[in-house]
Amino acid sequence: KQEVTQIPAALSVPEGENLVLNCSFTDSAIYNLQWFRQDPGKGLTSLLLIQSSQREQTSGRLNASLDKSSGRSTLYIAASQPGDSATYLCAASYQGAQKLVFGQGTRLTINP
Amino acid sequence: NAGVMQNPRHLVRRRGQEARLRCSPMKGHSHVYWYRQLPEEGLKFMVYLQKENIIDESGMPKERFSAEFPKEGPSILRIQQVVRGDSAAYFCASSRSPQETQYFGPGTRLLVL
Repeated sequence: KQEVTQIPAALSVPEGENLVLNCSFTDSAIYNLQWFRQDPGKGLTSLLLIQSSQREQTSGRLNASLDKSSGRSTLYIAASQPGDSATYLCAASYQGAQKLVFGQGTRLTINP
Repeated sequence: NAGVMQNPRHLVRRRGQEARLRCSPMKGHSHVYWYRQLPEEGLKFMVYLQKENIIDESGMPKERFSAEFPKEGPSILRIQQVVRGDSAAYFCASSRSPQETQYFGPGTRLLVL
């Protein structure tokens, strides 16, 4: 069964800190992995997409990595800001299927 | 380029009524996906459609739920005879091809009284 897990469920850090969010997936036949941000009561904003052939992607203060052999992805956020407070979701798609399998999300709070 | 549009944003229905949720994909996107987010749960895939065709409906409940994506017009997710357990946020996403990024709409929040 294809499952995606995110730990921890919630994280609170002071402003300015660098932090890492974790995502693990059960099936190594991954096609790509996406990281999203969801603000309360809102839709999803795509942050980064990593293809299975790639090891990492960067956008501004965000860096996402993918390790298929260990079944893990991380989202690194540098110099965190209060505006980064949101729920972060990772989602995997697998070979032969286009649907995204989502983790439960990590609710991040950045304290001023 | 407008993003994925969903309407209505909020929908209230009484038990037994029908709910129709609409999704207009981004311009140039012919692949549409519907996901459901139950309270305090993650997003779950429901159905994947490409113009006039249902490609994957493995996440759709067997009864009361249907989806379409006609040649002209938005994709429609239809829920017949709604029950309280259908209360959730329903998100639509679209992509230019199956291999590319899925872009999500703002969602429709359905409340069944």
